Amino acid sequence: DAGVTQSPTHLIKTRGQQVTLRCSPKSGHDTVSWYQQALGQGPQFIFQYYEEEERQRGNFPDRFSGHQFPNYSSELNVNALLLGDSALYLCASSTGSNSPLHFGNGTRLTVT
Amino acid sequence: AQSVTQLDSQVPVFEEAPVELRCNYSSSVSVYLFWYVQYPNQGLQLLLKYLSGSTLVESINGFEAEFNKSQTSFHLRKPSVHISDTAEYFCAVSDTGGFKTIFGAGTRLFVKA
Repeated sequence: DAGVTQSPTHLIKTRGQQVTLRCSPKSGHDTVSWYQQALGQGPQFIFQYYEEEERQRGNFPDRFSGHQFPNYSSELNVNALLLGDSALYLCASSTGSNSPLHFGNGTRLTVT
Repeated sequence: AQSVTQLDSQVPVFEEAPVELRCNYSSSVSVYLFWYVQYPNQGLQLLLKYLSGSTLVESINGFEAEFNKSQTSFHLRKPSVHISDTAEYFCAVSDTGGFKTIFGAGTRLFVKA
């Protein structure tokens, strides 16, 4: 039973570019949450998707957008990259509100 | 708004010694509480959770945490740590009516031989 898978594992982009990160949830999970984890800090909630809709959003600008597909997989898009966007981006899946999160290993994004 | 404060950024401890990692939260509503662990070069994984019922919850590897509503705390304890417990530990909270889980900044537990 595959857990949460994220791709790519590492990514290097230049300021101003756009990036798309991908996530496949754990089998049986229908909810996907995205987090940003800066070095030495805890994960910061970006948004959560359920039934292909953004259900809740954290304090992130509109440059951060997402999508959920009918098979529950999800994408995180970041436009107009800034140096401060460099971080580990984590995807987590779950089976409903407040159920424990199952995390992928993350995508390490470096913006130069 | 909810928030989570982990009072210690790093906790060094000798093997077989007891340890307590402190966590306080703030919320105006009922909450669910979690501890997640991140081993070196691995993703976060659930260690234990409090949803309802008994305020003392345990993990399979000897950790326990107690929900204290009056002190808004959810401290993590282990009576005797192993080298393999070296990891970063994150306390997290979600409110019973919402959808997002908020994490603390983490506590790095370093177990020395």
